[in-house]
Amino acid sequence: IAGITQAPTSQILAAGRRMTLRCTQDMRHNAMYWYRQDLGLGLRLIHYSNTAGTTGKGEVPDGYSVSRANTDDFPLTLASAVPSQTSVYFCASSDSSEGTQYFGPGTRLTVL
Amino acid sequence: AQKVTQAQTEISVVEKEDVTLDCVYETRDTTYYLFWYKQPPSGELVFLIRRNSFDEQNEISGRYSWNFQKSTSSFNFTITASQVVDSAVYFCALIRSGGSYIPTFGRGTSLIVHP
Repeated sequence: IAGITQAPTSQILAAGRRMTLRCTQDMRHNAMYWYRQDLGLGLRLIHYSNTAGTTGKGEVPDGYSVSRANTDDFPLTLASAVPSQTSVYFCASSDSSEGTQYFGPGTRLTVL
Repeated sequence: AQKVTQAQTEISVVEKEDVTLDCVYETRDTTYYLFWYKQPPSGELVFLIRRNSFDEQNEISGRYSWNFQKSTSSFNFTITASQVVDSAVYFCALIRSGGSYIPTFGRGTSLIVHP
């Protein structure tokens, strides 16, 4: 692994189903982030984690949850998916002392 | 509260033209970082540059240059002699130094370079 990986690459999901998007980094960065990208709205922060064991809410946290059990992994869970959660989801990590965000390749999620 | 404004939603140019992407920010902090990221049609987000608030020197990297002016709270990005491969969405971002490193992104500028 080099950098950040996300899985799955894309997914079509029925409304009401539970879904976990996976994110793993191998750069030993302290901070990790989840964004959603929608046309015309740019990148909006969903949740973040400054260090393993801590998480925080971003701009659009409703309907999403995260956990940070260790440094490398930061999964995003949709407990009961709704069509408005159709989006492209990006995971990112950062060495918090430096601030530059490094992004994963994204997951395209469609909720029908 | 922090805010980043990229007023240009979309810019269309012909190859070899110079183009400037504007970024205006608002922050009450004295120490912060500014960034530019590129998102080509393939979708990945690529880091281009980071500038801290104490360094107002302009930077040039090949055909790319950045002009940071604290007096106008701007961090503009210029591409000289644009090429089709420069077609992408470009995002400007701001992070406050210290505390939780939560970034504020602009909504992006879509640059289309026509051959």
